[in-house]
Amino acid sequence: GAGVSQTPSNKVTEKGKYVELRCDPISGHTALYWYRQSLGQGPEFLIYFQGTGAADDSGLPNDRFFAVRPEGSVSTLKIQRTERGDSAVYLCASSLMAPGGNEQFFGPGTRLTVL
Amino acid sequence: DAKTTQPPSMDCAEGRAANLPCNHSTISGNEYVYWYRQIHSQGPQYIIHGLKNNETNEMASLIITEDRKSSTLILPHATLRDTAVYYCIVQDSSYKLIFGSGTRLLVRP
Repeated sequence: GAGVSQTPSNKVTEKGKYVELRCDPISGHTALYWYRQSLGQGPEFLIYFQGTGAADDSGLPNDRFFAVRPEGSVSTLKIQRTERGDSAVYLCASSLMAPGGNEQFFGPGTRLTVL
Repeated sequence: DAKTTQPPSMDCAEGRAANLPCNHSTISGNEYVYWYRQIHSQGPQYIIHGLKNNETNEMASLIITEDRKSSTLILPHATLRDTAVYYCIVQDSSYKLIFGSGTRLLVRP
């Protein structure tokens, strides 16, 4: 079946602009996760959704970052007033259910470059 | 912070077994050991996980010591396509994966 998909695959923007990154999870997966990966480092947790609600957004670095999942499927990560330090690969993952004991399936990521 | 310690890099010859160690001396009784890998420019890929017992699937075997303070991921016959960064992760009943720096495995022809 189809895996997790993310669009766009690459996004180049200018400092101060607003961006939206989209994630389509595996059909039927109730849990959805966003991670961010900077060059040479492991992925860093941002936010987790169970259904439509954000169960944990403790990893969001500041209030410029926001994510939604209005119908419990597709999720959008929104970044306002982008900064050069936001440049990274943004990864989305989904799983059948939480809590633990369940494997997370990752998408290919969106590479964000802030000039 | 990651609860695991892994060597930064390893290499092995194609066709040989790759044994990747991981220390997790502070692991709690309800925490699982997960292994993921990340091939260049791709998202992480789940490999295997376990709680206490050794586990095997079509990709790898996971050996967990009796005291659960360390584990080894075994790729029985490494191929060039197994070249990747391998992450050992300890996960409790929550959902977060806390990635460390992983082990960069290079499989040599």
